[in-house]
Amino acid sequence: GENVEQHPSTLSVQEGDSAVIKCTYSDSASNYFPWYKQELGKRPQLIIDIRSNVGEKKDQRIAVTLNKTAKHFSLHITETQPEDSAVYFCAASWDNAGNMLTFGGGTRLMVKP
Amino acid sequence: GAGVSQSPSNKVTEKGKDVELRCDPISGHTALYWYRQSLGQGLEFLIYFQGNSAPDKSGLPSDRFSAERTGGSVSTLTIQRTQQEDSAVYLCASSFLQGTSPLHFGNGTRLTVT
Repeated sequence: GENVEQHPSTLSVQEGDSAVIKCTYSDSASNYFPWYKQELGKRPQLIIDIRSNVGEKKDQRIAVTLNKTAKHFSLHITETQPEDSAVYFCAASWDNAGNMLTFGGGTRLMVKP
Repeated sequence: GAGVSQSPSNKVTEKGKDVELRCDPISGHTALYWYRQSLGQGLEFLIYFQGNSAPDKSGLPSDRFSAERTGGSVSTLTIQRTQQEDSAVYLCASSFLQGTSPLHFGNGTRLTVT
């Protein structure tokens, strides 16, 4: 089955700096890569996702890049703000009825004001 | 529209008692997942239902844990003879059709075993 590794497990940045979280996956068939943000005491929520037919996707200060050859994808947050502080989870799946999403272990991002 | 609904939001139980946690997925979502999240930890996969297929139970930590999904909609996670280490937040999530659709999480049930 799929295995997703996520690094780093914790990340501390100064407000205004950029933050990068990286994930690797094992199943070359995977073609869907979402990212979830979980604020303290709240449920995880989808913030951005990418499919394997594109290499990069942006949404305001958030971007995700995908390298299918190397089997890794990354979340980039620019101009970080204190409200970006949360745990971020990457995940991977492939387009097959019945296939399930596999999550990485999570990254705790702390943005210091 | 309504999101994924979980009940109860909080449950305190004595060690050795059985508990049932309920999940109402978004209408039309055929995939349903249960996860466990201990304080400050990641998402521990428990079980996955997809349509009428046999569920993937590979994440259930022991035979005290079981789950059902009736009529392809509501799911119940049952923990028998609860132990203190079962204390955690139990999250349910659903998605439309298959693994490449976004997951929608419920607010979770915080279980405390005393």
